[in-house]
Amino acid sequence: QVQLKETGPGLVQPTQTLSITCTVSGFSLTSYYMQWVRQTPGKGLEWMGFIRSGGSTEYNSEFKSRLSISRDTSKNQVFLKMNSLKTEDTGVYYCARDSSYIRFAYWGQGTLVTVSS
Amino acid sequence: DIQMTQSPSFLSASVGDRVTINCKASQNINRYLNWYQQKLGEAPKLLIYNANSLQTGIPSRFSGSGSGTDFTLTISSLQPEDVATYFCLQHNSWPFTFGSGTKLEIK
Repeated sequence: QVQLKETGPGLVQPTQTLSITCTVSGFSLTSYYMQWVRQTPGKGLEWMGFIRSGGSTEYNSEFKSRLSISRDTSKNQVFLKMNSLKTEDTGVYYCARDSSYIRFAYWGQGTLVTVSS
Repeated sequence: DIQMTQSPSFLSASVGDRVTINCKASQNINRYLNWYQQKLGEAPKLLIYNANSLQTGIPSRFSGSGSGTDFTLTISSLQPEDVATYFCLQHNSWPFTFGSGTKLEIK
């Protein structure tokens, strides 16, 4: 059974770095692309980037300068790190998995991140 | 970037009604469009992929159509459990982009 679960810090101060972990089960990260999406009050749903099954990455240029996606296949975890946080980055962050022919087929429950001092 | 214009943003309909939600892409996205349902506090659930393919386990009252720039999600007979926000996603080219969502309620 495919499962994805995001864990994050909840509250982050402005200018700090956000770190979120997506822990997966039921499949191997070396077989599927993993996506990151966020949902903010100001901009709705935004695609942030993905990591391919082979480990290379692509980013939305909106975030490229401050976003990093990586993984640890031995721990079945994918990581999102974004620096220089602003209050507008407040929202729910999701990881999602592609299937063989379906983009964004499976989603985690999301983790709420509040950027506030 | 490809802009996805979704309409309407809000929809109120009665149980049993036929409901349609539209997404228009700012350029050709072939059939690379998915539809999702999101209930309050839950993760998005895939309903339709690649414009018209019904995801496994999704009731057949949901259907999708369109190609190129114009797409439609249809619920043939609205049920109370369909109360949710629906949104489209284009995955023809990155940055992948989403519609702004349609909030569906029961009259």
